[in-house]
Amino acid sequence: NAGVTQTPKFQVLKTGQSMTLQCAQDMNHEYMSWYRQDPGMGLRLIHYSVGAGITDQGEVPNGYNVSRSTTEDFPLRLLSAAPSQTSVYFCASRNDGLAGVYEQYFGPGTRLTVT
Amino acid sequence: RKEVEQDPGPFNVPEGATVAFNCTYSNSASQSFFWYRQDCRKEPKLLMSVYSSGNEDGRFTAQLNRASQYISLLIRDSKLSDSATYLCVVNEGAGGSYIPTFGRGTSLIVHP
Repeated sequence: NAGVTQTPKFQVLKTGQSMTLQCAQDMNHEYMSWYRQDPGMGLRLIHYSVGAGITDQGEVPNGYNVSRSTTEDFPLRLLSAAPSQTSVYFCASRNDGLAGVYEQYFGPGTRLTVT
Repeated sequence: RKEVEQDPGPFNVPEGATVAFNCTYSNSASQSFFWYRQDCRKEPKLLMSVYSSGNEDGRFTAQLNRASQYISLLIRDSKLSDSATYLCVVNEGAGGSYIPTFGRGTSLIVHP
């Protein structure tokens, strides 16, 4: 299993540009989520999905869109990039907790700089 | 915003030392608790869940104090490879309503 994969690993955007961060998982997890991590701020939840066709907002959703057309994929779209969106973005999927442990598996991250 | 607070450190300890981190949370309805480990410029990975009765995994012991609303992580016989940031994670919901809140992390540096 590849686990959770993210592309690209690095990206530089100009203010106002749009782009899509890709995330895929091959563990058949229903729950997926997007976080951003900024120095001194910890991980903050942007959007999450509890299954194909279902998405919801997290703590910091403004400026981002998501869709979940398949179980495997959960792309994050930046509509009009702003310097405040410079961050490291992590995608995660979560198991179903059958063993009583809810473990999130994170992708390797995308380092985004907006100039 | 529901708060999860950690001392950012860094905790700078020699090999073989015992070190403990605490994490406090503000939401008394929180249901489940975890410690994650994050190496520099890498993704977080689950270290251990924290159960009400406390739990141990090798050199690592996690405890939960619901009355005082904190969880702790104890690392015994520290190794150089334990150097990382340790993230406290608190979840309000149970099962399918899992929406976790991450602490900002505690940095541990183990030196020879």
